Amino acid sequence: EIVLTQSPGTLSLSPGERATLSCRASQSVSSSYLAWYQQKPGQAPRLLIYGASSRATGIPDRFSGSGSGTDFTLTISGLEPEDFAVYYCQHYGSSPKFTFGQGTNLEIK
Amino acid sequence: EVLLVESGGGLVQPGGSLRLSCAASGFSFSSYSMNWARQAPGKGLEWISYITSSSTTIFYADSVKGRFTISRDNAKNSLYLQMNSLRAEDTAVYYCARWEQQQLVFDNWGQGTLVTVSS
Repeated sequence: EIVLTQSPGTLSLSPGERATLSCRASQSVSSSYLAWYQQKPGQAPRLLIYGASSRATGIPDRFSGSGSGTDFTLTISGLEPEDFAVYYCQHYGSSPKFTFGQGTNLEIK
Repeated sequence: EVLLVESGGGLVQPGGSLRLSCAASGFSFSSYSMNWARQAPGKGLEWISYITSSSTTIFYADSVKGRFTISRDNAKNSLYLQMNSLRAEDTAVYYCARWEQQQLVFDNWGQGTLVTVSS
C-alpha cells in the first residue's frame, strides 16, 4: 500500500514569496500517476498538476510540479493572495486505487 | 461547462442508511468513469469508490467496503452512493468526481453534500 506524506503540514509565507511543497511516497511510483490539487475553504478540490509536472487547463504558470520516484514537489513562484489554500498530492495505483496525501496548509504570514 | 451536483446528504442515526445522488451535465456522462470521495470535518480527502462508464468495474476503499454501494444510471446522467450501516466516522462532506482517464486524475468535482451520522 502506497502512503503519501506531505510536508510541511503548514507553510506560512507572504504574497510574492516562493512556496515549495513536498510529497513523498512510501515506495517508488510512476510520475504519470502523481497529481496535485488545491482546495480553498468551503470549496471542492481543483486539479492543478497531472503527470507530476503538467499543468491542468487554466492553471497559471506560477504553479509548477516536479519530481520522480518517491519525491515530488509543487512550487508556486510569486504567491498571489488567492493561492493561500490547502494542497493535496494524489496517486493513482492498484490497491488502494486512489491515495491522497494529508495536505499542506499554505497560510498567509 | 461540466457540472456535478450532489444531493441527499443530511443527519442520520448510527446504523442508518442514506442514498446520495450526483447529477451530471455539460459532458457525455456515459463516457466517463466516476468516483465518490469524502472529507471529514477539518480533515483531508479520502477516495471511497470508483465505477467505470458501463458499471463493469467497481472499486471501494476498505473503510466502506461491504457497507456502501456505488451505481450509476447513464440514461439519467446520475451517479449514486447507497450508504448502509452508517457510523459516526462516516460523517463528512461527500463529493462526486469525474475521472479523466488520459490524465489519470479527478478533473472535475461537485460542491459536495454533508452527511452527519449522530444520535
